[in-house]
Amino acid sequence: DVKVTQSSRYLVKRTGEKVFLECVQDMDHENMFWYRQDPGLGLRLIYFSYDVKMKEKGDIPEGYSVSREKKERFSLILESASTNQTSMYLCASSLMGQGEQYFGPGTRLTVT
Amino acid sequence: GENVEQHPSTLSVQEGDSAVIKCTYSDSASNYFPWYKQELGKRPQLIIDIRSNVGEKKDQRIAVTLNKTAKHFSLHITETQPEDSAVYFCAASFNQAGTALIFGKGTTLSVSS
Repeated sequence: DVKVTQSSRYLVKRTGEKVFLECVQDMDHENMFWYRQDPGLGLRLIYFSYDVKMKEKGDIPEGYSVSREKKERFSLILESASTNQTSMYLCASSLMGQGEQYFGPGTRLTVT
Repeated sequence: GENVEQHPSTLSVQEGDSAVIKCTYSDSASNYFPWYKQELGKRPQLIIDIRSNVGEKKDQRIAVTLNKTAKHFSLHITETQPEDSAVYFCAASFNQAGTALIFGKGTTLSVSS
């Protein structure tokens, strides 16, 4: 059974803080993704990675960066958190060549 | 870039009725079209998907149809049950490998008994 875990379920940060969201998958998946989910806007892709140290911009990369130093781990970094980054953040992973994405439980980030 | 439009945003049906959700996409190179279901407070899960070389796929009460010429695809749920109540997302791939997705904004389906 695929397991995707995220470091925190809930996080509260101050404006201007540097924020790290961690995602780990245990199924040796090549592809990993970060989305944010906001009511009425669906799932929007921030960044994705298809290999260690590789990253590709998604639809809304501004204000975010990512790091993939190990195959199983994909980190989302908010260099200087702002209130408009308050959202639910979902990580997902998939096998190369396979479409199905397996999602983590999400991190609800509040920036005050 | 790729854009996916999903309609309707909300859908209310009686138990036993059918429900249809429609999506259109903009990138003619898209080759993979999944549908995800997200129950309240839970993570999205794949319920059915279709690739561009297939026109229709069925799995028990759910089916997906794809019209590549018109660039639209639809989810059909028959004999709806209260447990079908959830938010449904369509998506279309935008990279050559078919692995990166752009999602629609979602449809909240409510099935009343």
